[in-house]
Amino acid sequence: GENVEQHPSTLSVQEGDSAVIKCTYSDSASNYFPWYKQELGKGPQLIIDIRSNVGEKKDQRIAVTLNKTAKHFSLHITETQPEDSAVYFCAAYMEYGNKLVFGAGTILRVKS
Amino acid sequence: EAGVAQSPRYKIIEKRQSVAFWCNPISGHATLYWYQQILGQGPKLLIQFQNNGVVDDSQLPKDRFSAERLKGVDSTLKIQPAKLEDSAVYLCASSLMMVRDTQYFGPGTRLTVL
Repeated sequence: GENVEQHPSTLSVQEGDSAVIKCTYSDSASNYFPWYKQELGKGPQLIIDIRSNVGEKKDQRIAVTLNKTAKHFSLHITETQPEDSAVYFCAAYMEYGNKLVFGAGTILRVKS
Repeated sequence: EAGVAQSPRYKIIEKRQSVAFWCNPISGHATLYWYQQILGQGPKLLIQFQNNGVVDDSQLPKDRFSAERLKGVDSTLKIQPAKLEDSAVYLCASSLMMVRDTQYFGPGTRLTVL
């Protein structure tokens, strides 16, 4: 069935270190993978997305990689800052059902 | 550009009462979504509209939940009667046209059912 698994559920890093969050998906026809950041009391905000015609995309300190064969994709944040602390969600577009399915989220804490 | 607006931001009700949430999407966005986000989980799609037609409501508990999008703009989501397990944040999102277009989320309505 439709499923997106996200790991780890919590991640603590020291300011300046890198953070990596990984997701796997079940629908081999999925071709759109957004990442959202959610701060306390706010709705999710898109930070980066990738489509299946590319393997990597970068935007300043944030990058996403996609391995379609293995059906997994990852978010990489370099030089983390305290303001990166939030909950991060991955999602995958499911062709069957024509909808986004979200992972359970990763709580990222950046310690200064 | 103004974002997705939702009201109220918070609501506390007793079980078996009814409640309604309102959403105003980004101007010009044809597709509107209602998600339920239970604490510690990712958003789960309840219903998707394209203009004023329902595209997908397969995850909507239709015995108690209803939603409408009059004139293809604003939308309301209603719960009647509410159960304890309906306690969650209800998020509204909109996108230009397709599901694979960027979805922009509102701030959500936090519902507590006592």
